[in-house]
Amino acid sequence: GAGVSQTPSNKVTEKGKYVELRCDPISGHTALYWYRQSLGQGPEFLIYFQGTGAADDSGLPNDRFFAVRPEGSVSTLKIQRTERGDSAVYLCASSLRGSTEAFFGQGTRLTVV
Amino acid sequence: ILNVEQSPQSLHVQEGDSTNFTCSFPSSNFYALHWYRWETAKSPEALFVMTLNGDEKKKGRISATLNTKEGYSYLYIKGSQPEDSATYLCASINDMRFGAGTRLTVKP
Repeated sequence: GAGVSQTPSNKVTEKGKYVELRCDPISGHTALYWYRQSLGQGPEFLIYFQGTGAADDSGLPNDRFFAVRPEGSVSTLKIQRTERGDSAVYLCASSLRGSTEAFFGQGTRLTVV
Repeated sequence: ILNVEQSPQSLHVQEGDSTNFTCSFPSSNFYALHWYRWETAKSPEALFVMTLNGDEKKKGRISATLNTKEGYSYLYIKGSQPEDSATYLCASINDMRFGAGTRLTVKP
């Protein structure tokens, strides 16, 4: 596609439920990043993929969070047993391998009630 | 992991004022630094990529400088306009970690 696409744009879920957030990167971009942005904060790094593999998942806050990128393009961020503190905007970005510029999606606003 | 820090956290200026804010980062193993502009309900927009010590980049009324030896970058906005109101983020390219951002509000 022309840009990074994230779906859904908004998600409201009940505490304890499971959610999946999807990121479609720019075609050909091998690097993909997930961030979480809470109110009043900058984007907090969660995980970085290079191709299909997670090159750095040190930002995932706990084992309720998991992300996959099975074919090296679309990525899904999965959150189990959601908690109210998971409410945030989840941003995805992609870049070409070796490039210093990343392109962002519009984000998914997750609200856990 | 690089710790990228930005200051101030927020800034309120009048239309026409010039302003600047800071991004600091550990200077060891520096590779490149990104500045992004992030408006509410939009995705972050890349402003500058800074790579060399002494780099100075400019885009319209916005410019940035880089000092890799002391580990800081300044972003300057000349003659601020209300449409400049946004959060300005810097990120280390080494690991794509962001600072917390500077939230700029320009009052008409």
